[in-house]
Amino acid sequence: EVQLLESGGGLVQAGGSLRLSCAASGFTFSSYAMSWVRQAPGKGLEWVSSINYSGGSTYQADSVKGRFTISRDNSKNTLFLRMNSLRAEDTAIYYCAKCRGQSGWYFDYWGQGTLVTVSS
Amino acid sequence: EIVMTQSPATLSVSPGERATLSCRASQSVTSNLAWYQHKPGQAPRLLIYGASTRATGIPARFSGSGSGTEFTLTISSLQSEDFAVYYCHQYNNWWTFGQGTKVEIK
Repeated sequence: EVQLLESGGGLVQAGGSLRLSCAASGFTFSSYAMSWVRQAPGKGLEWVSSINYSGGSTYQADSVKGRFTISRDNSKNTLFLRMNSLRAEDTAIYYCAKCRGQSGWYFDYWGQGTLVTVSS
Repeated sequence: EIVMTQSPATLSVSPGERATLSCRASQSVTSNLAWYQHKPGQAPRLLIYGASTRATGIPARFSGSGSGTEFTLTISSLQSEDFAVYYCHQYNNWWTFGQGTKVEIK
């Protein structure tokens, strides 16, 4: 059974930093791309960042470019999101998601999410 | 950026009735379109990928259709567990989601 367990969320002041983690199990982690998706309070889903299976290619939304960094440790089956220069508008539940697909990546499994609250 | 527009924002349906949700892309996404179901406090759940292929374990009452810029998710006979928010998602050119359609009990 695929399981994705996010951690690392919490309350942080604007301008601060956090590192989110996503522990994966139930599949061969090193074979799949992974992504982060967030949901701000009362809003819809927003793609944040993706990384290929090896970590050699990463992609970020314009809203977080230059502030957030996605990475992975395939030896520990763990995905990370380093978030710097946090803003109030980064307040959201952050989900990690396993990617699948040939012509493009959709998200076939998701974690339960971790809440990040940025106070101004 | 490809903008995904879902309609309606809210759909009121009685159990057992059919629900039809629409999603429009600002430019062609070919068939690289997925649908997700999301309930409060839960992980989003993949329903459909490739515009029309049901994900593993998804009941046959869920079906997807369309290509290019116009897509539809149909729930043939709504069950109590189907009341949720549904998102379309294009993965043809980067990744963007629609704003969601809330399916509520009429």
